[in-house]
Amino acid sequence: QVQLVQSGAEVKKPGSSVQVSCKASGGTFRTYAISWVRQAPGQGLEWMGGIIPIFDTTNYPQKFHGRVTISADESTDTAYLELSGLRSDDTAIYYCARGIVTIPAAYYFDSWGQGTLITVSS
Amino acid sequence: EIVLTQSPGTLSLSPGERATLSCRASQTVSRGYLAWYQQKPGQAPRLLIYGASSRATGIPDRFSGGGSGTDFTLTISRLEPEDFAVYYCQQYGKAPWTFGQGTKVEIK
Repeated sequence: QVQLVQSGAEVKKPGSSVQVSCKASGGTFRTYAISWVRQAPGQGLEWMGGIIPIFDTTNYPQKFHGRVTISADESTDTAYLELSGLRSDDTAIYYCARGIVTIPAAYYFDSWGQGTLITVSS
Repeated sequence: EIVLTQSPGTLSLSPGERATLSCRASQTVSRGYLAWYQQKPGQAPRLLIYGASSRATGIPDRFSGGGSGTDFTLTISRLEPEDFAVYYCQQYGKAPWTFGQGTKVEIK
C-alpha cells in the first residue's frame, strides 16, 4: 500500500515562493503520475498540474502556467511542487496525489498525501 | 475546460436511506473518465469510483457509480454513519482535469 508523506506547514510572505515535497513509499513511483491538488479554506478541490516520471512529461492548467513547477526525483521517490509569486488567495491545503495513468497524461487519483497548509500573509 | 456541476449542494438524509448524487459536465466526458471521491473534515479525499462505475479497492458495494456522456451519478444504497461527508466528482477525459464543487451529505 503506497503512502505519500508531505512536508510540513509553512507561512510565506506575498510575492515569495514555496516548495512542498511529497515522498512515496510502499509502491512504485516511476510508472504513476504525481499531481498536486489544492483546497482553499472551506472550498473545493483544484488540480494544479502533474508529472509522469516514466514519460518525463508535465502538464499544467493554463491558470498556473508560469507560476507552478512540478518535478520528481526518482532516486528518492520524491515529488516537488514549487509555487511562485505567492498571493493571499494561494492560502490553502496542498495535497499530492498519485495518479493511475490510463492513457498518456490522463489519470485519476488513488492515493493522497496528508496535505500541507500553506499560509500567505504579510 | 470541462465544468462539472454537482447537485444538490447539500443532501440531508438519515442512516439507512439511499443517496443519489449528480454530476453534470459542460461537455462530453470522453471514455467515461469520471471519478468520485469522498472527503471527511480534516482528511484528504479518498477515491471511491473511477471510470464512471468501477469501485476502487476496498470500497464497499453500497457505493455505485453510473452514467455516461455528460450525466453521471453516485449512489449510496444504504447510508452508514461513516458515509456522511462531502463527495466530489472529477473528470480526466480532457485536460485540464477538473473537479465538481462538491455535494455534502449530512445527517437529517
